[in-house]
Amino acid sequence: DVQLLESGGGLVQSGGSLRLSCAASGFTFSSYVMFWVRQAPGKGLEWVSTISASGVNTFYSDSVKGRFTVSRDNSNNSLSLQMNSLRAEDTAKYYCASQLPTGIFSVRPMGSWGQGTLVTVSP
Amino acid sequence: SYELSQPPSVAVSPGQTAVITCSGAKLGNTYASWYQQKPGQSPVVVVYQGIKRPSGVPERFSGSSSGNTATLTISGTQALDEADYYCQAWDNNLVIFGGGTKLTVL
Repeated sequence: DVQLLESGGGLVQSGGSLRLSCAASGFTFSSYVMFWVRQAPGKGLEWVSTISASGVNTFYSDSVKGRFTVSRDNSNNSLSLQMNSLRAEDTAKYYCASQLPTGIFSVRPMGSWGQGTLVTVSP
Repeated sequence: SYELSQPPSVAVSPGQTAVITCSGAKLGNTYASWYQQKPGQSPVVVVYQGIKRPSGVPERFSGSSSGNTATLTISGTQALDEADYYCQAWDNNLVIFGGGTKLTVL
């Protein structure tokens, strides 16, 4: 079974930094596109970032571009999100997700999700 | 990128058909996926590539599209289907989510 376990969340002051990690198991991690998606308390889902299977290609939402950096270590089956210059509006639960392994590649959705890790940014 | 618009809420009686729409300017050129999220849980994809169901998703969940609108239909809605539903699409390499629809089973 696919398992994704996020860690690294916590309370940080505005302007601070935090690094989230996602440990993957149960699938061939190095073959999958991975995502970070966040959800502010009581709000909807917001895509944060995508990283290709090799790690060469990365994509970000406008709201985090220039502040967040996604990376992966395929030798250790891990995904990371380095978050700098944090703002109060970054407060959310952050999920890592893997791409569904079927369907048209360019439009495959997030097939498996972790339980999320909560990031709280104090003003 | 463009926006995906969903009704904030939909209510249905048990056994009836629930219909949740998702409208977006470029939806006619791509495929939508749908996620179900129950309180306190992570999202689960229930429809992808517009009409396909992942293994394990009940047949009562179906997807369709027409023009710039994608639709999630839940036939014979059950109490356990009460959840938030999100549509999602792609704009080149960017991921877009709809605002979500709260489905209430009366």
